[in-house]
Amino acid sequence: RKEVEQDPGPFNVPEGATVAFNCTYSNSASQSFFWYRQDCRKEPKLLMSVYSSGNEDGRFTAQLNRASQYISLLIRDSKLSDSATYLCVVILGSATNKLIFGTGTLLAVQP
Amino acid sequence: GAGVSQSPSNKVTEKGKDVELRCDPISGHTALYWYRQRLGQGLEFLIYFQGNSAPDKSGLPSDRFSAERTGESVSTLTIQRTQQEDSAVYLCASGGQAGNYGYTFGSGTRLTVV
Repeated sequence: RKEVEQDPGPFNVPEGATVAFNCTYSNSASQSFFWYRQDCRKEPKLLMSVYSSGNEDGRFTAQLNRASQYISLLIRDSKLSDSATYLCVVILGSATNKLIFGTGTLLAVQP
Repeated sequence: GAGVSQSPSNKVTEKGKDVELRCDPISGHTALYWYRQRLGQGLEFLIYFQGNSAPDKSGLPSDRFSAERTGESVSTLTIQRTQQEDSAVYLCASGGQAGNYGYTFGSGTRLTVV
């Protein structure tokens, strides 16, 4: 089983739609969680951290479910500019702070 | 600058040559990572430095790959006797020790082995 798993997509959605991505992680000792965004042929950029209580940043909402070992990202009112690959990132913590990336979910917002 | 700086941005090299890639992390960041990303693929962990601790080299694909970092400063990734399968974008990221605020990536070095 991969350490971090994501549905690769693509998710094709119309402008204005709400879309949700899930990501599962295998190591219950994982301590920190993030969502990154990567545009084509660009470096990944931090979108948001994921906190235990859930957190929101504008149209984006991130949630963590430790019991089921998954995190989610909800995007409301999708814009064309949201088209990108969304990467789930987990830090194992404890003995190592190694960043583990999922393979990403491709989102294409259609006009 | 305020970001992570990588050089060169592009490198074309002949098979069998050695290459050295450089990463200047954000000042004060104790953690530094190297990743490799082949075209159309995900990020592949290579190596992780945390302060003066022994680096986690578990992702280095072969003994042709090595990396160094002195303290919390510049890191270099060296690939000896390059092969065509080494062609990829090599990304460096740095972050604070706790990592709670995420990590910042450089724009990468695009390596092409011909």
